Order: sequence, then C-alpha cells, then structure tokens
Amino acid sequence: RKEVEQDPGPFNVPEGATVAFNCTYSNSASQSFFWYRQDCRKEPKLLMSVYSSGNEDGRFTAQLNRASQYISLLIRDSKLSDSATYLCVLNTGGFKTIFGAGTRLFVKA
Amino acid sequence: GAVVSQHPSWVICKSGTSVKIECRSLDFQATTMFWYRQFPKQSLMLMATSNEGSKATYEQGVEKDKFLINHASLTLSTLTVTSAHPEDSSFYICSAEGGEAGRRETQYFGPGTRLLVL
Repeated sequence: RKEVEQDPGPFNVPEGATVAFNCTYSNSASQSFFWYRQDCRKEPKLLMSVYSSGNEDGRFTAQLNRASQYISLLIRDSKLSDSATYLCVLNTGGFKTIFGAGTRLFVKA
Repeated sequence: GAVVSQHPSWVICKSGTSVKIECRSLDFQATTMFWYRQFPKQSLMLMATSNEGSKATYEQGVEKDKFLINHASLTLSTLTVTSAHPEDSSFYICSAEGGEAGRRETQYFGPGTRLLVL
C-alpha cells in the first residue's frame, strides 16, 4: 500500500461547482499535513496546512480525520484559475515528507 | 516572506557535462533543504535531504556520486549533476524548510530548474 494515495482524476467541473478531494495515508505516526497546488510545469505552492480542528481559507476548507487516516480539501465556487494539480503532503517527522501523486482538477467555463 | 530561488531556471547541455543548480532561501534561514526530481506526469520524487554543515542524506536508488549536494550555508544548497546523460533530463526542484516560528515544518519550494541533456 502506498504511503499516500490520491485519486489522480481528472476532475472536470463547471465554474461555480463545489469539488472535494480526499487523500488517505497509511502511517498513523504522520504529524503534519498540507495541501499544495501545482500548476502545469511549475513548482508546487503551499495552499494550506491541515489541522485536526479543520481550517478554512476563503473558498477552501481542509479537514483531517486521524481515526480514518485521511485528509480532505473542499473547494467551493470553483474558478477557472483553480485548475491545477492538488498534492496531498504529509510529514512524518524526522524530515520525512511524503507527497501524493496529485489530483488533477479542470474547471470549465 | 519565505521565498526560495533557484538558478538557473533552464539548462541545456551536452551529454557528459556537469550541471550545477543553486537553491537559495532569500529571507529566512533554512537548516534543511530538499532536492526533488519530477518527470513528466509523475509526482515529485525526493532525491536527498540536505542539512547545513553535514553530509546529505540520499534516498534509495539515488547515486550520491552522481548527484553531489553541498549545503554550504543556511541560505544556500547546490546540486551538481555530474556527467549528465539524457536520462537525467528532468525538472529539479529544491525546497527549504523553515520560515516564521510555528511553520518550520512547512516547505517552501523554488521555481525549479529544467534540465535537458542532449
């Protein structure tokens, strides 16, 4: 089983839609969780950290479920500019950071 | 804050030459920097972890004699691809761990370096 698993997609949604991604992880010792966004042929950029209590940043909501070992990202009111690959990233401590393969999102007009 | 730069952004070289890529944290000190490689349509793959003042830790399958890493200061790490071959052509990205207190586990990525070996 992979340490981090994401549905590769692609998710094709119309503008204004709400879309959610999940990411499951296998290492229960994982300590920190993040969502990164990567545009085509560019470097990943931090989108948001994921806290146990859940956190929201504008149209983006991230949640962590330690019992079921998954994190989620919800995007509301999708914009064309949200089209990108979303990477689930976790840190298991000791400088061990693991990236998911990413979920591709296409938002269409 | 938390800006990471990489230089050069593009490299085209002949097979057999060595290529040096620099990664700098511009406004913070990074005790740890990471080097990744990404092939088209694939995920980032960690190559090595670089700690200032000590030898880099390489991931399994990454040749340390081929990919030389030097973390000379708290703001600079370099990756040298020695005797590059076409199969080394890839997108190389560095990241630096650090920044403001409370976010030190966050990695900030450089813009990447595209290497094409002819």
